[in-house]
Amino acid sequence: GQQVMQIPQYQHVQEGEDFTTYCNSSTTLSNIQWYKQRPGGHPVFLIQLVKSGEVKKQKRLTFQFGEAKKNSSLHITATQTTDVGTYFCAGSPPGGYQKVTFGTGTKLQVIP
Amino acid sequence: DGGITQSPKYLFRKEGQNVTLSCEQNLNHDAMYWYRQDPGQGLRLIYYSQIVNDFQKGDIAEGYSVSREKKESFPLTVTSAQKNPTAFYLCASKGMNTEAFFGQGTRLTVV
Repeated sequence: GQQVMQIPQYQHVQEGEDFTTYCNSSTTLSNIQWYKQRPGGHPVFLIQLVKSGEVKKQKRLTFQFGEAKKNSSLHITATQTTDVGTYFCAGSPPGGYQKVTFGTGTKLQVIP
Repeated sequence: DGGITQSPKYLFRKEGQNVTLSCEQNLNHDAMYWYRQDPGQGLRLIYYSQIVNDFQKGDIAEGYSVSREKKESFPLTVTSAQKNPTAFYLCASKGMNTEAFFGQGTRLTVV
C-alpha cells in the first residue's frame, strides 16, 4: 500500500531560524496537502499542491511539490513561537481522491 | 455553520467494555475517516468510508468496528478486543475537490 514518510520526526529550532520538513511517498500522488496540528488540537488544512514542480507561498511558508509528484517539502523562514506544532503532509493516488494517506508528521518546537 | 462534530470530547472506559464514538458532518462529503493518534505520534488510519453502506479497513482496524448508515454519520465502536485503546481519536471528512476537515477529537482513556 501507499506509504508516506516525513523527516525529520522532531525538530527544535531557535526562534528566527529556518525550518524544513520533507515528505516522501512510495507511490505517485495526484496531489499533496499540508496540515498543521497545534498541541492538543486537531489537524488544520494549510495548502494543496497539484501540479508537478509546483511552488506556493503563504507569508513565511513555502511549499513545493516534486517533479515526479512523489515528494514535497515545507519550508518556514524565520520561525516564530506561533509556528509550534506538528506538520503533516497527506496525499491521494491518481484517481483515488478518497484514499488519503497522512505522513508520519514532523513536530516542530521553537525555542524563544 | 458547516462542519464536523465529534462527541464526546473525553471518554472513560472500563476494561472489557465497548464504547462508541460519534462523528457527524453536514458538509455533504462522501468520504469519512477515523484516525488514531498516540502521544507524539502521527495519524494511523482505522477505517474509512467512501459512500453510504460501504467502508474499508485501514492500517489498524483490529478491535474496532464502524457503520455508515447515513451520509452524515460515521460512528466508531472501540470493542473489548482492542487491547490498548487509550488514545486520541480523530474523525475527518472529505469532498471530491476539498481538503480533509477534522473534528475536535475524542480522548479515550481506559480506567
